[in-house]
Amino acid sequence: ETVMTQSPATLSVSPGERATLSCRASQSVSSNLAWYQQKPGQAPRLLIYGASTRATGIPARFSGSGSGTEFTLTISSLQSEDFAVYYCQQYNNWPPNSFGQGTKLEIK
Amino acid sequence: EVQLLESGGGLVQPGGSLRLSCAASGFTFSSYAMSWVRQAPGKGLEWVSAISGSGSSTYYADSVKGRFTISRDNSKNTLYLQMNSLRAEDTAVYYCAKGGVVPAAIVPYDAFDIWGQGTMVTVSS
Repeated sequence: ETVMTQSPATLSVSPGERATLSCRASQSVSSNLAWYQQKPGQAPRLLIYGASTRATGIPARFSGSGSGTEFTLTISSLQSEDFAVYYCQQYNNWPPNSFGQGTKLEIK
Repeated sequence: EVQLLESGGGLVQPGGSLRLSCAASGFTFSSYAMSWVRQAPGKGLEWVSAISGSGSSTYYADSVKGRFTISRDNSKNTLYLQMNSLRAEDTAVYYCAKGGVVPAAIVPYDAFDIWGQGTMVTVSS
């Protein structure tokens, strides 16, 4: 089983600053990695797939990088609407579609 | 507008059954694999099950295999999840999610670009 570990669990950042979120896989997932944003009471929203491809309608301030076992989601200049929980998901190994435990991005 | 709308959640006793539905609109439903993903209260996301666009192939997480059955009716643009022998640990919000955003993705390995609003399932006596 591929375990996805996200760090930190909580990240406090001021609006306008850069946020860097990490996701580590226990074994290689190639570039088959997605990132989601979830706000309270809402469904997840796909941000990134293929480790670095932005989904339709996602602002350019969101970027993803990495391959193999180490991945990063960067939000270049935080807006008020970006404060949420972020999940990574691998879709390379069985059992499929395992998610990380999430990183809560909060206002500093 | 592309939309998924779940229904069928509720309170059920341990050992009971429930059938969830997910009505799709705004896209060619039969062309896309679909999944169910759940989220226990205050917890993270857990993939539950997936089905190919034709319905001929189905996949399950070990935690639900043998108890849950995924199906679809492409003539009605609707996805289903039949849940039997429910346990307390099945308590969660259940989301249906559309796959197919990843080029050449092989079911069930996929990212999910459209999600429903979720339906709550509570298993308790």
